[in-house]
Amino acid sequence: GDSVTQMEGPVTLSEEAFLTINCTYTATGYPSLFWYVQYPGEGLQLLLKATKADDKGSNKGFEATYRKETTSFHLEKGSVQVSDSAVYFCALRRKGAQKLVFGQGTRLTINP
Amino acid sequence: DGGITQSPKYLFRKEGQNVTLSCEQNLNHDAMYWYRQDPGQGLRLIYYSQIVNDFQKGDIAEGYSVSREKKESFPLTVTSAQKNPTAFYLCASSKSRSDEKLFFGSGTQLSVL
Repeated sequence: GDSVTQMEGPVTLSEEAFLTINCTYTATGYPSLFWYVQYPGEGLQLLLKATKADDKGSNKGFEATYRKETTSFHLEKGSVQVSDSAVYFCALRRKGAQKLVFGQGTRLTINP
Repeated sequence: DGGITQSPKYLFRKEGQNVTLSCEQNLNHDAMYWYRQDPGQGLRLIYYSQIVNDFQKGDIAEGYSVSREKKESFPLTVTSAQKNPTAFYLCASSKSRSDEKLFFGSGTQLSVL
């Protein structure tokens, strides 16, 4: 079945550091890929998405590129801020399917 | 402001008791979803509804029940048959079944006394 694997957390960085959170997936066909973010005490919010191979999703300084050859969708940000501290979820949705399949989440803490 | 409201924020269940989690949205969305979040396991789909008076089981529906009598409301009942109910429950909605963007509520933490 479809699955998403994220890098183990928690991840702790200093402010202005470079961030990478790895995400790989297994799915039939060409799913749409997503990153959702969950700030403390809140629900999830869509951060960015990509719907086909080589697409790059971007938002709030975060980027992720849909890599079909490596079945990956790694999240990157060049300079993180304390306000980026949250749990990040990678997810996929097969075309025509109703549900999102989520990874286990990666907790990110940014220290000033 | 449009959004999804879940209540209560914290809920405690006694042995053998059914409890109901509320989810209301004023986004005029057709599709609604219930997810369960456990530490280190991500989110798993419990039930979803594409339209009023219709709903389908997700991956972990056993021990749960739902109803969709109104477009804006999708309550989840955790029955006594659910032997491990302690988790964080998230409700979500989307404009239609084909819309890929989900909007989430702020969740309900359910614990067993």
